[in-house]
Amino acid sequence: DVKVTQSSRYLVKRTGEKVFLECVQDMDHENMFWYRQDPGLGLRLIYFSYDVKMKEKGDIPEGYSVSREKKERFSLILESASTNQTSMYLCASSLGQGNWDEQFFGPGTRLTVL
Amino acid sequence: AQKVTQAQTEISVVEKEDATLDCVYETRDTTYYLFWYKQPPSGELVFLIRRNSFDEQNEISGRYSWNFQKSTSSFNFTITASQVVDSAVYFCALSVLNSGGGADGLTFGKGTHLIIQP
Repeated sequence: DVKVTQSSRYLVKRTGEKVFLECVQDMDHENMFWYRQDPGLGLRLIYFSYDVKMKEKGDIPEGYSVSREKKERFSLILESASTNQTSMYLCASSLGQGNWDEQFFGPGTRLTVL
Repeated sequence: AQKVTQAQTEISVVEKEDATLDCVYETRDTTYYLFWYKQPPSGELVFLIRRNSFDEQNEISGRYSWNFQKSTSSFNFTITASQVVDSAVYFCALSVLNSGGGADGLTFGKGTHLIIQP
């Protein structure tokens, strides 16, 4: 089974802190994605990556950055956390570019910024 | 830009009744994929189905069925003889080809919360 794991299920941070959300997949997938989920808004794409050291902006990249130094790991970084970044963050992976396989999702990290 | 609309915020049915979840999408691309995901109370999204824009055949998988109609840009999902375990939030999503010929991230609808009452 494909497994996507996220470093924390719940996280509480203070405004202005630098926050790292980690995501690891164990199926050698090329594509990885970060979404945020908010009530009434569904899931929105923040950033995605097709390969190591590659990144592409999604629909709402402002206030976020990403890092992909290894194929299996994709990190979401909040340089200076703000209260409007309180949300559920979901990581996903899929097989490869040009491949239309479904995305596999991790369990999510519920981040609260105080 | 792509858009997915799930007009039903919440649907409540009694167990064993059928439930139909609506999905309407917008895209100018001719090649695209449509998906349905289920998010149970545990929170992890579970893939249900993928359909490409050139395949309008309806699909049935057990109690689940999907009706894809390009003429109305709809991809509706029906659960027959619903069960309490079907209670979840269901998302419809759309993916289009990027300039490199691959698929970008998904554009999701806002989700429909399906409540199955015993």
